Amino acid sequence: NAGVTQTPKFRILKIGQSMTLQCAQDMNHNYMYWYRQDPGMGLKLIYYSVGAGITDKGEVPNGYNVSRSTTEDFPLRLELAAPSQTSVYFCASSSRLPGQGVSDTQYFGPGTRLTVL
Amino acid sequence: TQLLEQSPQFLSIQEGENLTVYCNSSSVFSSLQWYRQEPGEGPVLLVTVVTGGEVKKLKRLTFQFGDARKDSSLHITAAQPGDTGLYLCAASPRTGTASKLTFGTGTRLQVTL
Repeated sequence: NAGVTQTPKFRILKIGQSMTLQCAQDMNHNYMYWYRQDPGMGLKLIYYSVGAGITDKGEVPNGYNVSRSTTEDFPLRLELAAPSQTSVYFCASSSRLPGQGVSDTQYFGPGTRLTVL
Repeated sequence: TQLLEQSPQFLSIQEGENLTVYCNSSSVFSSLQWYRQEPGEGPVLLVTVVTGGEVKKLKRLTFQFGDARKDSSLHITAAQPGDTGLYLCAASPRTGTASKLTFGTGTRLQVTL
């Protein structure tokens, strides 16, 4: 298994440009997440999905959009890039059974480093 | 949103020394996780603690969950250069729903020879 893969690894955008960060997992996980990590900081949840066709906002969703048309893929869309979106973006996935109370293990991708100039 | 404070922010020690990293909040956690992140990579789960007062050991790493489930500590015995990395605690505020983890700000550890 490749686990969680992310593309691209690096990207530089100009203010106002758009792009899609790709994320895929081959572990048949139902839960997927997008986080951003600013320098010297922890991770903040942008959006998450509990299954195909279902998405919900996290802590910092403004300026981003997501879709989940398949179990495997969870792309993150930036419509009008701003310097404040310069960050490292991590995608993660986990498998959670209905009614399971304990936090499950989240498996992270290697990240996409985005710079907006 | 729960606020998780980690201390210290940075720690530089020599090989063989012991260290403790703390994760604190004013809120009660349903469970807490510790992750380690190496440069250029995503975080990797080290442990999950669920019960107040719980202690878990992973080789030279000892994790403790506070009795009131508001704080946790990570103790490393005889640190090695391979322990270098960013240590993150993450808390789950609810059970039975998506794992909307709140991450702490991290403790960056450097272990030198």
